[in-house]
Amino acid sequence: QVQLQESGPGLVKPSETLSLTCTVSGGSINGYYWSWIRQPAGKGLEWIGRIYSTGSTTYNPSLKSRVTMSVDTFKNQLSLKLSSVTAADTAVYYCARVPQGAGLNVFWFDPWGQGTLVTVSS
Amino acid sequence: QSVLTQPPSASGTPGLRVTISCSGSSSNIGSNTVNWYQQLPGTAPKLLIYSNNQRPSGVPDRFSGSKSGTSASLAISGLQSEDEADYYCAAWDGSLNGWVFGGGTKLTVL
Repeated sequence: QVQLQESGPGLVKPSETLSLTCTVSGGSINGYYWSWIRQPAGKGLEWIGRIYSTGSTTYNPSLKSRVTMSVDTFKNQLSLKLSSVTAADTAVYYCARVPQGAGLNVFWFDPWGQGTLVTVSS
Repeated sequence: QSVLTQPPSASGTPGLRVTISCSGSSSNIGSNTVNWYQQLPGTAPKLLIYSNNQRPSGVPDRFSGSKSGTSASLAISGLQSEDEADYYCAAWDGSLNGWVFGGGTKLTVL
């Protein structure tokens, strides 16, 4: 079955760029949307954005000016970059596959990676 | 402040039934399907219900979802101690052009 694994620095300095990679195993990136979602400690989930296997992206309007997502179909990897980070960006970051059902906007997140904690601090 | 509104907590005794609500608007729940996720302590969220009322393979039929208008509900019957978790609803929002989540409901099994 498809498994996702996030990786990247656990500590990022304020004003710098957070960079994470999600490695997909057990299946191909092709033909799917993929999303990044984050969760501050003790808080709820926030959708960051999605990318299709062709590279087409949609970002959360509240983060759009700072987010860049990309996909490497040869390595079966996704990447997330978030610029100008502050303490408010401290969270567990998840990647998830986005299967599609019949009908408009019929999507869900499954499976999820285990998540990686990123702390923004000097 | 989450776009979708869930009660912050819910509780029930083993064997009984509990329901968790999720309230939205015409741009999200009112016009798109709802998904539910279960997050056990210290773990990643897991898909519980998709397309309003569909259970993925492996999810017990004790879990069921429904939607009416701009609200959705998750029902858990035959409550078990291992159901103690945080539950999140989510839907696509056409106005925001993105997914929105509820704030999460912490379920306690008494």
